[in-house]
Amino acid sequence: AQTVTQSQPEMSVQEAETVTLSCTYDTSENNYYLFWYKQPPSRQMILVIRQEAYKQQNATENRFSVNFQKAAKSFSLKISDSQLGDTAMYFCAFTPSNSGYALNFGKGTSLLVTP
Amino acid sequence: DSGVTQTPKHLITATGQRVTLRCSPRSGDLSVYWYQQSLDQGLQFLIQYYNGEERAKGNILERFSAQQFPDLHSELNLSSLELGDSALYFCASSGDFDTGELFFGEGSRLTVL
Repeated sequence: AQTVTQSQPEMSVQEAETVTLSCTYDTSENNYYLFWYKQPPSRQMILVIRQEAYKQQNATENRFSVNFQKAAKSFSLKISDSQLGDTAMYFCAFTPSNSGYALNFGKGTSLLVTP
Repeated sequence: DSGVTQTPKHLITATGQRVTLRCSPRSGDLSVYWYQQSLDQGLQFLIQYYNGEERAKGNILERFSAQQFPDLHSELNLSSLELGDSALYFCASSGDFDTGELFFGEGSRLTVL
């Protein structure tokens, strides 16, 4: 079974600061995809960033970047220059590559950005 | 807007009742996934359909069932409802399997009283 663990139930960061959310996963697969999804109070699930396991280069999307450590099975999300609109639940997720199978989600980290 | 439509957005019903949640996937997407999100369980995968056929099952209760119709919309049927079934139910869809990305609807909030 593949498990995704987010060890930080809640985090807080001040506006304009940088915060890192942690995620670890367990799998015997060699090729897979990892994701961070954001769920703001509107409850819509929004893709933040995606990483393919075979790519060594860490994915970046504007202020969002990941630190992907395949050997350690770690996939952390760094948010730079935090904005009030970044306040949301953040979910880490995993799926084997090209499988079309459902994403396996962690329990989420609630991030609060304060002025 | 993800392109995935779910109805109803909110639903309040009583224990023992039956409800149907509806999902229209993004245009052209063949796969539909149903998830349940409750406070203590996070996002739990329930079931997946691909082009009308059941493809994968997760933690779906026997009281729950789903189907995908020829026009690719899907329905999740919840019966003999219990208080613990109160949750946010998400539908997601995907096109090809190359990216693994799922596109989520806004969810249906079910409250069982």
